[in-house]
Amino acid sequence: AQTVTQSQPEMSVQEAETVTLSCTYDTSESNYYLFWYKQPPSRQMILVIRQEAYKQQNATENRFSVNFQKAAKSFSLKISDSQLGDTAMYFCASPNFGNEKLTFGTGTRLTIIP
Amino acid sequence: DVKVTQSSRYLVKRTGEKVFLECVQDMDHENMFWYRQDPGLGLRLIYFSYDVKMKEKGDIPEGYSVSREKKERFSLILESASTNQTSMYLCASSLAGGQGTQYFGPGTRLLVL
Repeated sequence: AQTVTQSQPEMSVQEAETVTLSCTYDTSESNYYLFWYKQPPSRQMILVIRQEAYKQQNATENRFSVNFQKAAKSFSLKISDSQLGDTAMYFCASPNFGNEKLTFGTGTRLTIIP
Repeated sequence: DVKVTQSSRYLVKRTGEKVFLECVQDMDHENMFWYRQDPGLGLRLIYFSYDVKMKEKGDIPEGYSVSREKKERFSLILESASTNQTSMYLCASSLAGGQGTQYFGPGTRLLVL
């Protein structure tokens, strides 16, 4: 079975600090996409950032960036200048058998402290 | 703007009842998914549908069935609800072709008494 491991169940940082959430995955696909999703308290799951595995350049979206290490199957999320609105559950996801399905990690609960 | 809606945000049912959860997407996506979300377990796939009337079992299909009669609508059915099915249920959809980005509904929190 494909597995995705998020080793940090909970994290907290001060507002304006930088935080990195870790994720390792296991896939047999050769060309695939990796995802970070965010689920704010009592709100909808939304896509934060997506990385195409065949691209060497790490994806960035404003304050969010990834550190993608393909050989190590590692895909961490860095949040710079953290804001109170970043408080949420964060899920890492990797492809599952043919890229149509995703396997999700168990999530990291991130709290931004004012 | 992409949209996935679910029929209920909160639902309370009794053990043994038949429960229907509905999901509708307006993005003309081929793929639709039902997940169950439990603390410490992340999202686990119950069923996946890649076309009308087509379905695949996910990781935890036991006790559930699904129906997809129209492209935009995907229903999850609990034939006889049990207390261990108390959970958050998330629906998602995506385009076919392996680029994978899934769009989620707001979720249905189901309590089975």
